[in-house]
Amino acid sequence: DQQVKQNSPSLSVQEGRISILNCDYTNSMFDYFLWYKKYPAEGPTFLISISSIKDKNEDGRFTVFLNKSAKHLSLHIVPSQPGDSAVYFCAARANNNAGNMLTFGGGTRLMVKP
Amino acid sequence: NAGVTQTPKFRILKIGQSMTLQCAQDMNHNYMYWYRQDPGMGLKLIYYSVGAGITDKGEVPNGYNVSRSTTEDFPLRLELAAPSQTSVYFCASSYGKQEAFFGQGTRLTVV
Repeated sequence: DQQVKQNSPSLSVQEGRISILNCDYTNSMFDYFLWYKKYPAEGPTFLISISSIKDKNEDGRFTVFLNKSAKHLSLHIVPSQPGDSAVYFCAARANNNAGNMLTFGGGTRLMVKP
Repeated sequence: NAGVTQTPKFRILKIGQSMTLQCAQDMNHNYMYWYRQDPGMGLKLIYYSVGAGITDKGEVPNGYNVSRSTTEDFPLRLELAAPSQTSVYFCASSYGKQEAFFGQGTRLTVV
């Protein structure tokens, strides 16, 4: 039972264009969402997060949108750069979670072509 | 400024062998975690700790044990290695419920 799903295993985008990565969740107890970026042979690094009380959070070229009614969030990268090529994981945390446990999606591999 | 350090980076184990994956953080974080990532899958939580002397099970704890005797260290023990434990293991830490910082991972193969 996958509570967090990233339905696109890969995405290819031209440099300078927008990258949109999508994530769906099923657990209505999730109230905090994060995006992590992972390069090969490295650990995931935190990118951006959003609380369920907001519908948008922006940090430079990265914006996360949350649609609670649809249980859907997306990460927009504008403009995309070759250095953004990595695997992106969506993660969610429930509000009754004492241990800060994150539930991760399967990841989307983004390739930004020069 | 090391962050989260995991050792070893790679290991091959035979079925039935045991080993300890080491994890240390120098950020004075109270929360620490062990995740595993199987090919094409997201990370799954094995065990976590909210402070020295306190540990609890995550989503996939079977076949593993942990201890947290100090704030800095959070070793993961595999007692009887099985092929199903072939995975990449990530240790992470956080200050309370803030975002977690991850180590570089340990790639374990059980043959």
